[in-house]
Formats: sequence, structure tokens, C-alpha cells
Amino acid sequence: GDSVTQMEGPVTLSEEAFLTINCTYTATGYPSLFWYVQYPGEGLQLLLKATKADDKGSNKGFEATYRKETTSFHLEKGSVQVSDSAVYFCALSAQGGSEKLVFGKGTKLTVNP
Amino acid sequence: DTAVSQTPKYLVTQMGNDKSIKCEQNLGHDTMYWYKQDSKKFLKIMFSYNNKELIINETVPNRFSPKSPDKAHLNLHINSLELGDSAVYFCASSQEGLWNEAFFGQGTRLTVV
Repeated sequence: GDSVTQMEGPVTLSEEAFLTINCTYTATGYPSLFWYVQYPGEGLQLLLKATKADDKGSNKGFEATYRKETTSFHLEKGSVQVSDSAVYFCALSAQGGSEKLVFGKGTKLTVNP
Repeated sequence: DTAVSQTPKYLVTQMGNDKSIKCEQNLGHDTMYWYKQDSKKFLKIMFSYNNKELIINETVPNRFSPKSPDKAHLNLHINSLELGDSAVYFCASSQEGLWNEAFFGQGTRLTVV
């Protein structure tokens, strides 16, 4: 079945450090890929998405590129801020409308001043 | 205006009780979902409804019964609550499958004592 594997957390960084959170997936066909963010005490918000190979999603300084050859969608940010502290989820939606998002296990990021 | 709203935000109840969580979306979306997030932040889909019709039921105990009176509402009723039901439950909606963004509610933290 479809699945998403994210790097284990937690991740702790200092402000202005470079962030990478790895995500790989297994799916039939060509899924859409997403990064969602969950701030403390809140629901999930879409951070960025990519719907086909080589697409780059970007938002709020975060970027991720859909790599079909490596089945990856790694999240990166050049300079993190304290306000980026949250749990980040990689997810896929399989082509053909299985009508569900499959999530990775989440990676908790803490950014210290 | 809140796009996806759930009530209540917190629910503490005793084992064996029956409880309901309500969800409403004002986005005009066709599809609504219930997700369960466990203590380790892992998110798993429970149900998906499209235009009031059940699409996905992911091996959830039949003590859990979703009800969709119209496409803007998807309520979750839980009978005979057990300690293991303690979790955060998220409602979400999207339009015509998940190629587009899924919008999540704030979550309902259920604690069974």
C-alpha cells in the first residue's frame, strides 16, 4: 500500500540554521505530495504541495521538490526562526482518487533563540 | 470565518459513555474526513465521506459511527468509550479528492478516564 517515511525527530536547531527534513514515499502511479505543519495546540495547515515530478513547492521560505527518481520530497529552509517550531508532516494523495491523505509520522522541530 | 469547525475542543469522559463530536465546513467542499492523532502525533484516517456517502472506513471499530446529515456536516459518534480511544480527532474537508488542499479543523482532544 501507499506509505510515507519521514526522518525521526525531534530536531532541535538554533535560529538561522539550515533545516532539512527528509521524506520518501511509496505509491503506485503519480501521487501528489504535501507538507503540512501543526503548530502547538492547533490543527494541520498546508505548508506546500507538488502535484507532478520536478515540481517545487514553496511557502514561507520552505521548499520541497518532487523527485520521482528517488521518490522523495525533502523539506528545506535556509534560515529557521523560533516561530517555525512545530510538527511537520509529509503526506501523499494517490492518483486515482483513493480519497485520503497518507501521512508520515511527523517530525517535531524546535528552534532555539 | 472558520473554514472547518469542530466542537467540542476538549472532551473528558468516563469509560463506557457515549459521546459525539460535531464538524462543519463552510467551504462548499464535497468530501469530509475524520482523522485520529495518537499520543505520538501519528495521523491515521478513519472515515471519508463524499456528498454524504461513505467512501472510506479504515478498519475502525463499529463503536465509531460517522453521520453526515448534509455535505457540510460530518459528525462522529462513539459508543462505549474505552481508554484507548483517548486521542485528538481531526475533521477535514477537501474538494473533489485530494489534489487540492485539505483543510483541517482545530481538533478535539478526547480523554477517556
